[in-house]
Amino acid sequence: GNSVTQMEGPVTLSEEAFLTINCTYTATGYPSLFWYVQYPGEGLQLLLKATKADDKGSNKGFEATYRKETTSFHLEKGSVQVSDSAVYFCALSEASGTYKYIFGTGTRLKVLA
Amino acid sequence: EAQVTQNPRYLITVTGKKLTVTCSQNMNHEYMSWYRQDPGLGLRQIYYSMNVEVTDKGDVPEGYKVSRKEKRNFPLILESPSPNQTSLYFCASSFRGGSNQPQHFGDGTRLSIL
Repeated sequence: GNSVTQMEGPVTLSEEAFLTINCTYTATGYPSLFWYVQYPGEGLQLLLKATKADDKGSNKGFEATYRKETTSFHLEKGSVQVSDSAVYFCALSEASGTYKYIFGTGTRLKVLA
Repeated sequence: EAQVTQNPRYLITVTGKKLTVTCSQNMNHEYMSWYRQDPGLGLRQIYYSMNVEVTDKGDVPEGYKVSRKEKRNFPLILESPSPNQTSLYFCASSFRGGSNQPQHFGDGTRLSIL
């Protein structure tokens, strides 16, 4: 079946450091890919999405590119802030048929001042 | 304000006592879904609904029921809760089902089954 694999956390960085959170997926067809962010005590919020190969999603300085050849959707940010501390989830939406959503296990990011 | 509202936010109850977690959205979304979030397992989809009177199983449906009698509401029912259903639950909705639709999430319901 379809699946999403994220790098293990937690990830601890100093403010202004470069961030990469790896995400790879297994899916049939052409799923859409998403990154969601969860702040403490809150529900998930959409951070960015990409719906086809080579699409780049971007928002709030975060970027991720849909790489079909490597089945990856890595999240990057050039300079993190303390306010970016949260849990980040990679997810895919199946391309057809069942309309299920599949989430990764989440990666906790902690940014130190 | 566009939102997904879950109630209650917190509940402690005992094994076998039926409970319902309500979910309501005010965005006229067709697609609604329930997830549970557990440490190390991320979010797992319990049930989803493509529209009124249309529901389908996600990856972990055992022990849960849902109904979709109205477009805005999608309650999650635990007929006979057990301790392994202790978890953080999220309701979500999107304009429609389909591969490019992001979801809007509620703030979560933390259930403890003793």
